[in-house]
Amino acid sequence: AQTVTQSQPEMSVQEAETVTLSCTYDTSESDYYLFWYKQPPSRQMILVIRQEAYKQQNATENRFSVNFQKAAKSFSLKISDSQLGDAAMYFCAYRLFQGAQKLVFGQGTRLTINP
Amino acid sequence: ETGVTQTPRHLVMGMTNKKSLKCEQHLGHNAMYWYKQSAKKPLELMFVYSLEERVENNSVPSRFSPECPNSSHLFLHLHTLQPEDSALYLCASSQDTGYYNEQFFGPGTRLTVL
Repeated sequence: AQTVTQSQPEMSVQEAETVTLSCTYDTSESDYYLFWYKQPPSRQMILVIRQEAYKQQNATENRFSVNFQKAAKSFSLKISDSQLGDAAMYFCAYRLFQGAQKLVFGQGTRLTINP
Repeated sequence: ETGVTQTPRHLVMGMTNKKSLKCEQHLGHNAMYWYKQSAKKPLELMFVYSLEERVENNSVPSRFSPECPNSSHLFLHLHTLQPEDSALYLCASSQDTGYYNEQFFGPGTRLTVL
């Protein structure tokens, strides 16, 4: 079965500090895309960052970066200089290159930013 | 309006009611999706439409009936729902169904079935 596991239901971090959200996934395929989505309390899910599985270089978007370990099937998200607006549910997801059209999501991690 | 919009934002219905959820995207995308988000469960894909043709139906009960009249609009018709169908229903769109494409989500409809 294709699954995504986010082992941290909740995380908290002090404002301006760095936090890492973990994600592992299970697939036998070699070509896929990985995503981190953010869902703030307003509920509209937005894309934070994405990574192509065939690229070894970790993706970076401003304060957000990933640590992609393909062999370990691990895809963690690091948020540097945390801001109050980063408080949200964070979902890890992947999508296969071929076959099913769907994004497979993890259960999410609720991130709280402490001022 | 920009992005992906959904109406209504909240819906309460009885098990014998018939209602519809509406999604509209203003991004010129060709693919649209319905997801179900239940408490403490991962998002579940329900339906995928590409160029108004349904390309995936993930074993969803027939009490959920999707409709895609054009590439900008997606509906989810509901009838004789069960209390366990209460959830947040999210619509999304993408340029096409390519795996690299970002999906843009709407704000969701919070559905409560009494």
